[in-house]
Amino acid sequence: AQKVTQAQTEISVVEKEDVTLDCVYETRDTTYYLFWYKQPPSGELVFLIRRNSFDEQNEISGRYSWNFQKSTSSFNFTITASQVVDSAVYFCALLTDSWGKFQFGAGTQVVVTP
Amino acid sequence: NAGVTQTPKFQVLKTGQSMTLQCAQDMNHEYMSWYRQDPGMGLRLIHYSVGAGITDQGEVPNGYNVSRSTTEDFPLRLLSAAPSQTSVYFCASREIQTWPSGYYGYTFGSGTRLTVV
Repeated sequence: AQKVTQAQTEISVVEKEDVTLDCVYETRDTTYYLFWYKQPPSGELVFLIRRNSFDEQNEISGRYSWNFQKSTSSFNFTITASQVVDSAVYFCALLTDSWGKFQFGAGTQVVVTP
Repeated sequence: NAGVTQTPKFQVLKTGQSMTLQCAQDMNHEYMSWYRQDPGMGLRLIHYSVGAGITDQGEVPNGYNVSRSTTEDFPLRLLSAAPSQTSVYFCASREIQTWPSGYYGYTFGSGTRLTVV
């Protein structure tokens, strides 16, 4: 069975602080994709990043960075120098087949105050 | 290029009423799916379709019907609404992508917020 755990329900920070969101996944499949999505207050789902199971290279994109570690089944996401516009719910998701049966985590609410 | 369009954005139903949530995409995507989002539970797959005339159940299909008569449209029907169906519904689509090496994910609609009273 597939499972995604986002243990942090809500994180509150002051602007310019760094924020790290944790994601732990479970799967027996050796081939899979991991995603991060952002859901701002307006409600739409915004794609941030995907990683496949055979590429553990971590990446930095602007203020965002990702840390994918297969050994610990974790796919953590960091926002550096947070801004008020980063306030949103962030979802980690696991995909193990081509038919689109995502397994989403419960989401982490990020609140950035000025 | 509209992407994935969902209508309506908001809807209030009385228990027992029926309605159809509309989803349309203009990207010629073969694959379409419906999810519901509930607090603390992320998104859960209701039904999906891999092409016109082909549908299948997801994780939480009870109380919902779908059909796919065209590539562009994938409506979700609630035949007899129940308060447990109060949720935000998302439609998503993608091309048939090569698994796993050519896979690059989904386009989501902006959601329909449904309240059943």
